Amino acid sequence: GENVEQHPSTLSVQEGDSAVIKCTYSDSASNYFPWYKQELGKRPQLIIDIRSNVGEKKDQRIAVTLNKTAKHFSLHITETQPEDSAVYFCAASSSGSARQLTFGSGTQLTVLP
Amino acid sequence: KAGVTQTPRYLIKTRGQQVTLSCSPISGHRSVSWYQQTPGQGLQFLFEYFSETQRNKGNFPGRFSGRQFSNSRSEMNVSTLELGDSALYLCASSLGKAGGGNEQFFGPGTRLTVL
Repeated sequence: GENVEQHPSTLSVQEGDSAVIKCTYSDSASNYFPWYKQELGKRPQLIIDIRSNVGEKKDQRIAVTLNKTAKHFSLHITETQPEDSAVYFCAASSSGSARQLTFGSGTQLTVLP
Repeated sequence: KAGVTQTPRYLIKTRGQQVTLSCSPISGHRSVSWYQQTPGQGLQFLFEYFSETQRNKGNFPGRFSGRQFSNSRSEMNVSTLELGDSALYLCASSLGKAGGGNEQFFGPGTRLTVL
């Protein structure tokens, strides 16, 4: 089955700096890669996703890149703000089991004011 | 549109009991997936239902089961509860279209504590 590894497990940045979280996956059949943000005591929220037919996707301060050859994808947050502090999860799924997401272990991002 | 809802939000049970959790998906969504979230194991897939049929199943024992009704609402049941079943149980709904890449939207979860 699919295995997703996520690094780092914790990340502290100064407000205004950029943050990068990296994930690798094992199943070459995976073709959908969402990222979720989970604030303390709240539900995971989908913040951005990418499909295997594109290499990069941006949404304001957030971007995701995908390297299918190397089987890794990354989340980039620019101009970080204190409200970006949360746990971020990457995930992967394949078309054969589209709604079976395999999650990474999460990254606790802390943005220091 | 109203978001995904789950009931109850909190539940306390004792070992050996059973529990039923409920999930109502976003209107128009036909797929419901269930996940278990624990500090040690993270987010793990339990199973997915679409049109009242289980389509995918994760690596959990048979004590964990589920079903889906004709209105797409789903329930999951855990029998013979163990201490290790204490977790946040999340459901996620999606359109369930053929192929990959259906966005999943999570409910607030049910916090189950087994004593």
